[in-house]
Amino acid sequence: AQKVTQAQTEISVVEKEDVTLDCVYETRDTTYYLFWYKQPPSGELVFLIRRNSFDEQNEISGRYSWNFQKSTSSFNFTITASQVVDSAVYFCALSGSNAGNMLTFGGGTRLMVKP
Amino acid sequence: DGGITQSPKYLFRKEGQNVTLSCEQNLNHDAMYWYRQDPGQGLRLIYYSQIVNDFQKGDIAEGYSVSREKKESFPLTVTSAQKNPTAFYLCASSSTGTGKETQYFGPGTRLLVL
Repeated sequence: AQKVTQAQTEISVVEKEDVTLDCVYETRDTTYYLFWYKQPPSGELVFLIRRNSFDEQNEISGRYSWNFQKSTSSFNFTITASQVVDSAVYFCALSGSNAGNMLTFGGGTRLMVKP
Repeated sequence: DGGITQSPKYLFRKEGQNVTLSCEQNLNHDAMYWYRQDPGQGLRLIYYSQIVNDFQKGDIAEGYSVSREKKESFPLTVTSAQKNPTAFYLCASSSTGTGKETQYFGPGTRLLVL
């Protein structure tokens, strides 16, 4: 079975602070895919990034960056200079053949950015 | 515009009543999915379909039914057998069901029991 753990249920920061959202996963697959989604108050899940298990390069997209470390089974997400519009619930997810290629979601981290 | 639409946005169910949630996509995706989200929780898979006229149960299929008669449509029926249906329901689609493609989500339907 595969599992995704987001230990931080809620984080509160002040605007312009940097914040890191943690994601730890468990899988027996050698080939797997990791995802991050953002869920704003409207409810729709917005895709942010997909990373396959063979690509450990960190990725940066504007104020967002992701740190993938297979050695610690982690795929952390950092927002630099946070803004109020970043307030949302963020989900980490994992797919792999071990679970029929279905997505397994973590419990989510609620990020509140205060002005 | 390509995307996934879900209707209605809010749905009220009386006890003993079956209700159907609509999900349509115009992304030409083969695979479609239904998830349930309870307050403060992650998403759990109800049903998925990798191809027309075929679907499989997810982790919490009891009390739900689906059909996939057209590629674009994957309606979910919440039956009276589902004793605690109050939740947020999200539909998603991906180009195939192999797991490596990204799933894209609709805006969701909030179901409330009267």
